[in-house]
Amino acid sequence: AQKITQTQPGMFVQEKEAVTLDCTYDTSDQSYGLFWYKQPSSGEMIFLIYQGSYDEQNATEGRYSLNFQKARKSANLVISASQLGDSAMYFCAMRGRSGSARQLTFGSGTQLTVLP
Amino acid sequence: DSGVTQTPKHLITATGQRVTLRCSPRSGDLSVYWYQQSLDQGLQFLIQYYNGEERAKGNILERFSAQQFPDLHSELNLSSLELGDSALYFCASSPQESSYGYTFGSGTRLTVV
Repeated sequence: AQKITQTQPGMFVQEKEAVTLDCTYDTSDQSYGLFWYKQPSSGEMIFLIYQGSYDEQNATEGRYSLNFQKARKSANLVISASQLGDSAMYFCAMRGRSGSARQLTFGSGTQLTVLP
Repeated sequence: DSGVTQTPKHLITATGQRVTLRCSPRSGDLSVYWYQQSLDQGLQFLIQYYNGEERAKGNILERFSAQQFPDLHSELNLSSLELGDSALYFCASSPQESSYGYTFGSGTRLTVV
C-alpha cells in the first residue's frame, strides 16, 4: 500500500515570498509518479507538477518546483514569488505501478493563504 | 476548461433517494476514474473503468455503482443516499489504463438533506 503524508494543515505566506509545502510518501514500488494539485475554493482540481521516480532532475513548471529527495521519500512543492491567487488547498499525490498502488493516492492537503 | 465534463455541477437530494452523476472524459482518453472528496475522508478513489471495462475498485460502497458506455462517457449511480454521502465527486480521465497523468473534471457537489 502507498501513503502520502502532508503534515501542514495550514500555511501562511507573504505575497511575493517563496513557500515550501511538505510531502512525504511511502511505497514499495520502485517506479512511481508524484504529483501536486491545487484546489481553489471553487473546487476544481488543477494539476501543477509531476515528478517521476527515475527522473534525475527536480521538476519545474513556471513558479512551481518540486524538491524531490528520493532517499528521504519526500516531494516538497516550492512556490516562488507567491501571488494572492495562489491561496488554495494543495494536495500531494502519488501513483505506483502495481496493484492498488496504480490508483492516485492523495494526502490530506495543505491550505495555503497568501497575505497581501 | 480541462476537457473533462461533469454534470450536474450541484445536486441536492433527500435521504433514501438515488442519483446519477455523469462524466465525459477528455477527447481520446479511454480510462475514467471516480473519486469522492469528503471532509472526514479526504480524497478517496472509488472506481476505474478502461474502455468500457471495470479495472479497479477502491473504497466504493455497495450502494454505489458505475459504468462506462461505448462512447466512453461514464455514470456513477448512488442509491439509498445517506447524509454521509454528501461530498464532492470527481471524475478524472487518462489516455491509457496505466497513464500517470490524470485530468480532473470540476466535480459534482452532492448534498443529501
